Amino acid sequence: DAGITQSPRHKVTETGTPVTLRCHQTENHRYMYWYRQDPGHGLRLIHYSYGVKDTDKGEVSDGYSVSRSKTEDFLLTLESATSSQTSVYFCAISAELGGVEQYFGPGTRLTVT
Amino acid sequence: AQSVTQPDIHITVSEGASLELRCNYSYGATPYLFWYVQSPGQGLQLLLKYFSGDTLVQGIKGFEAEFKRSQSSFNLRKPSVHWSDAAEYFCAVGPEVSSNTGKLIFGQGTTLQVKP
Repeated sequence: DAGITQSPRHKVTETGTPVTLRCHQTENHRYMYWYRQDPGHGLRLIHYSYGVKDTDKGEVSDGYSVSRSKTEDFLLTLESATSSQTSVYFCAISAELGGVEQYFGPGTRLTVT
Repeated sequence: AQSVTQPDIHITVSEGASLELRCNYSYGATPYLFWYVQSPGQGLQLLLKYFSGDTLVQGIKGFEAEFKRSQSSFNLRKPSVHWSDAAEYFCAVGPEVSSNTGKLIFGQGTTLQVKP
């Protein structure tokens, strides 16, 4: 299995509070992704990174920011959590951009009350 | 626009029976195709992938898939299902050409239930 960990695995937070989710990889892969998974919507890309300090938006980036200061870590921040951000968040990594499989972390279940 | 359709939301099969999960895609170029499996509370695990060459690809856990360009399909098969195969299965195609993000386009998933 690819070495990907996510922390925390579960979190409950209140509306309006900031939340940071961490993805850590030991594969030295260049590309990292944050997805959210919701019933009826499948997996949707939030942000991705193509290198240290190089990030870009996905299809559902509003309300989220990311940072990547090291190859191995990709952080997802909800600046002010809302109930609509209750979801399961998955980090993924790949060695190349496109055409190559992505490996997924175990996910973080976030509940915003 | 690229898309992936998994026509069956939910499938139930008996243990030991054969399985076929359908996947149809729309893609403007030669696709890269993937099947992932997700057990409850877990992340997505790659079952198999097709990039080029032999259109019948073998994966882990006894699964195989066949790429049929004429039908724009990439169906997943297993000759004999085990109770541990109960999970959700996702077909994906990539990369998304228009966005240049490397994003994979996922189907909505098929939930497999296995009857004893």
